[in-house]
Amino acid sequence: KNEVEQSPQNLTAQEGEFITINCSYSVGISALHWLQQHPGGGIVSLFMLSSGKKKHGRLIATINIQEKHSSLHITASHPRDSAVYICAVGFSGGSNYKLTFGKGTLLTVNP
Amino acid sequence: DTGVSQDPRHKITKRGQNVTFRCDPISEHNRLYWYRQTLGQGPEFLTYFQNEAQLEKSRLLSDRFSAERPKGSFSTLEIQRTEQGDSAMYLCASSRVRDGSYEQYFGPGTRLTVT
Repeated sequence: KNEVEQSPQNLTAQEGEFITINCSYSVGISALHWLQQHPGGGIVSLFMLSSGKKKHGRLIATINIQEKHSSLHITASHPRDSAVYICAVGFSGGSNYKLTFGKGTLLTVNP
Repeated sequence: DTGVSQDPRHKITKRGQNVTFRCDPISEHNRLYWYRQTLGQGPEFLTYFQNEAQLEKSRLLSDRFSAERPKGSFSTLEIQRTEQGDSAMYLCASSRVRDGSYEQYFGPGTRLTVT
């Protein structure tokens, strides 16, 4: 079973700060997902990556397959970035593709 | 394309009652997943459909839980004889495997409170 660990569990930042959230996993994967969950429950997919680096606006996600580690960076953070960020790893076995989730990182960005 | 929808968004029920939730995936998505999320935890896999076939069920899905996807479109998740431990957010996600992409699109969830 894949274990997914995120750090930190909670993060408070001032508007404009550079944010880093880390994710480690224990077993080889097909892809890693970064998800954003706002109060009320809805989950939005931010990135899915299996190697290297992806960028979307102020968000950057990197993954190191050898070290089984990924980071999500937010540049020039804004209060609207406040949310829970969840790392999930996916493994494709046979016909199924199943996600194992971390517990999430609660980010609060203060104005 | 309106995204994944779930109904109801909130459900309060008394212990011992049966509840049923519905998920409407993105049209033409052939895979549909159910997850459960308790407070302070990440979602946990419950079950998965490819078209109308239920291909995998987690050990978390006790005999009181049943899921269907009768025509390969919407899905229902029923919990019989609810217990307080069933209180959680129930999330549905859908995906269409294409070109090796496994991206899942999540619905807003149904929050269940068992009193």
